Parts: sequence; C-alpha cells; structure tokens
Amino acid sequence: QKEVEQDPGPLSVPEGAIVSLNCTYSNSAFQYFMWYRQYSRKGPELLMYTYSSGNKEDGRFTAQVDKSSKYISLFIRDSQPSDSATYLCAMSGNFGNEKLTFGTGTRLTIIP
Amino acid sequence: EPEVTQTPSHQVTQMGQEVILRCVPISNHLYFYWYRQILGQKVEFLVSFYNNEISEKSEIFDDQFSVERPDGSNFTLKIRSTKLEDSAMYFCASRSTRGAAGELFFGEGSRLTVL
Repeated sequence: QKEVEQDPGPLSVPEGAIVSLNCTYSNSAFQYFMWYRQYSRKGPELLMYTYSSGNKEDGRFTAQVDKSSKYISLFIRDSQPSDSATYLCAMSGNFGNEKLTFGTGTRLTIIP
Repeated sequence: EPEVTQTPSHQVTQMGQEVILRCVPISNHLYFYWYRQILGQKVEFLVSFYNNEISEKSEIFDDQFSVERPDGSNFTLKIRSTKLEDSAMYFCASRSTRGAAGELFFGEGSRLTVL
C-alpha cells in the first residue's frame, strides 16, 4: 500500500461547480496535512494547512481531515477557471523539519 | 511578496558531469529543503537542512548528492556525477521558524536534463 494515495484525475468541471479532491494515507504518524497547488512548470504553492483532525476554511477553500479514516479532502466552492491546476496533498509527522510526503497530484480543469 | 528564487531554470548536462543548482531562500527563513519531481511522478523529498547541517535525508540522497549554504543567502545542491535518472525538476523550499511543519515556500524549480 502506498503511503499517500491520490486520484490523478484528470478532473474537469464547469465553472461555478463545487470540486472535491481527496487523499488517503497509511502512516498513522502523519499529523500535518497540506494542500498545495501547482501550475504547469511552476513550484508547488501552499493553499491550506491543517494540524490533526478537523476542518479549516479559507475563502472558497475548505480542508477536512479525518484521521480515524486516514482520509483528507479539499473542497473548492464556486470554482473559477483560474483554479485550473494540479492539486497535491502532502503530509508530515510531528515537529520541526519533517519531510513532506506528497500524493501524485490531481489535475483539475475548470471549464468556463 | 518574498519568494524563493532558483537558478538555473534549465540545465542540460552530459552523464557523469557535476551539476550545482542554486537557491536563494526567503531571507528570514532558517529551514531549507530540496525536493525533486521526475516528469509525470510525484514530488519527492531529498534533504532538509537547518543550522548549517543536514537534519534529514531520503534514500535518494546518496553520496553523489551534497548540499551547502556557502554564505548567508545561498543554498546549493550539488550532484557530483550525474546519471540519466537524475533528470528531473528540482525544487528548493524554505520555512520560517514560526511556520509549522509543512508550511513550505517553494521556488519555481530548476529543470535538469542529463543526456
């Protein structure tokens, strides 16, 4: 079983739709859960960061973590064409400079 | 807005040659990282660096790789003798001491092509 699994997509939705992106993981030591956005030929850009279980909202973006199910989600409301990118989930253990373990990324296209 | 800058943006080299990839992290950040992304694959951790020493490295980061902070602003990744499989996008990242684990700021990457 891979440490972090993410559906690579591609996923295409019409503008204004709600988008749901998900990752599952196997390592119980993960405590920090991140969503990064990566535009083509660019570096990952941090979107959301959550510690342990729970929800976090930032504008049109909501991150959810369910540690009991080892499942995390990112919801994008009122999706815009500018949201078209690859979305990477990433996880790390506790403290300091623990390495990030990334999912493969989901390629999202918002159709105007 | 402060950003991580990387040079070169693209380097082509012959197998067996040495390559140095350079990074200027965000100025008040103290944690530095290198990640790589082989085309079509996931982003992979290489090494983390804090207080002028390696704090963690992956199994990818073998004796052919080294990192250095030669002055107060640059952070470099050296590959001593490149192999075909080293072809990838290499990302530098940094984090402040106030940032939690995972709050990394990435550069735009250096694409390495080994022929």
